[in-house]
Amino acid sequence: EAGVVQSPRYKIIEKKQPVAFWCNPISGHNTLYWYLQNLGQGPELLIRYENEEAVDDSQLPKDRFSAERLKGVDSTLKIQPAELGDSAVYLCASSLGSGLAANTGELFFGEGSRLTVL
Amino acid sequence: GENVEQHPSTLSVQEGDSAVIKCTYSDSASNYFPWYKQELGKRPQLIIDIRSNVGEKKDQRIAVTLNKTAKHFSLHITETQPEDSAVYFCAAVPVSLIHSNYQLIWGAGTKLIIKP
Repeated sequence: EAGVVQSPRYKIIEKKQPVAFWCNPISGHNTLYWYLQNLGQGPELLIRYENEEAVDDSQLPKDRFSAERLKGVDSTLKIQPAELGDSAVYLCASSLGSGLAANTGELFFGEGSRLTVL
Repeated sequence: GENVEQHPSTLSVQEGDSAVIKCTYSDSASNYFPWYKQELGKRPQLIIDIRSNVGEKKDQRIAVTLNKTAKHFSLHITETQPEDSAVYFCAAVPVSLIHSNYQLIWGAGTKLIIKP
């Protein structure tokens, strides 16, 4: 079974340019997360989806970041315009889903998209 | 809200020795505590977890202990090997996993270095 797939793996852009990241979660996983991870630090939640609904986006900088999960499967995270401080790894993760008795709690992460803003 | 503190930030041990990483949490309602391992340049992966109705769980060289009274839980790695070198993250879930608002609160991570 395929794991969480993210693209691109690496992206280098100049500041003020837009960038988009794509995530395909594990089939059947209702919950999807976007995390930001700076070097040497833990993951920081940006947004969490339950199916197509964004249930927690309190940490998403909405002036420049946006996300969508159409049809409750794939998701995209966009930054426009990018700033120097946005350089980080953007991790997507999925889990079976809140509210389900079968949910073991495990998050499955993608390989991440490493963004460098020059 | 829940807050998770993790110590130490860096741990260096001789190959073959044991390593212990400790986390404390603030919300007594937390009832699920996973540990994730992240090797350099790779994705975090779950290595072991424990639920609040259990005091200890073991999986080969890895064990996790939970002290609900003191609100801390620890990761123990015995007979450390070079492949154990990684960053380890603890986390806590402040509500039930079947609650619609289930979320992980992460520790800051511990960089474990295994010296040959």
